[in-house]
Amino acid sequence: AQTVTQSQPEMSVQEAETVTLSCTYDTSESDYYLFWYKQPPSRQMILVIRQEAYKQQNATENRFSVNFQKAAKSFSLKISDSQLGDAAMYFCAYSGGSNYKLTFGKGTLLTVNP
Amino acid sequence: KAGVTQTPRYLIKTRGQQVTLSCSPISGHRSVSWYQQTPGQGLQFLFEYFSETQRNKGNFPGRFSGRQFSNSRSEMNVSTLELGDSALYLCASRYDGTANTEAFFGQGTRLTVV
Repeated sequence: AQTVTQSQPEMSVQEAETVTLSCTYDTSESDYYLFWYKQPPSRQMILVIRQEAYKQQNATENRFSVNFQKAAKSFSLKISDSQLGDAAMYFCAYSGGSNYKLTFGKGTLLTVNP
Repeated sequence: KAGVTQTPRYLIKTRGQQVTLSCSPISGHRSVSWYQQTPGQGLQFLFEYFSETQRNKGNFPGRFSGRQFSNSRSEMNVSTLELGDSALYLCASRYDGTANTEAFFGQGTRLTVV
């Protein structure tokens, strides 16, 4: 079974600074996808960024980028130039094979200090 | 286009009662998944439906059931409610439910069992 681990329950960052959220996963599948979702206080999960396992190039979306280390099964999220609106719970998620589901980590609560 | 709509947003029920939650996916999306979110267990997969067929089921007791209609709308039912069923129930809509397609989430239904 696939597992996703986020070892940082809480993180804080100063506005305009950079922060990295960690995620590791375990799988025996060769074809899979990794995601970072953001859940603000409104509770709606929003996709931040995704990475295809077959791609060596790290995904980037504006201020958000990932460091995907396939051999180490590591998938960290870097947020640059942090903004107050980035404050939220961040979930790392895995999707692969034909089981049609997302497996989530426990989440990291990010606080952005002005 | 309209997002994923979950109704009701909040629900208070008594132990032993049953409850039905509804999810309307994004137009054209045929896959609907349900997740239970609690502070202790995090996000856990309940089941996934595609074209009215359940394709995958999580590790939940038989009191949790669901269905999907021909218009892709889905309902989730929980019978004989227990205090531990108090949670945020999230519905996710995907175009075809394959591993690489983005999941769009609703704002959830907050169920409180007293």
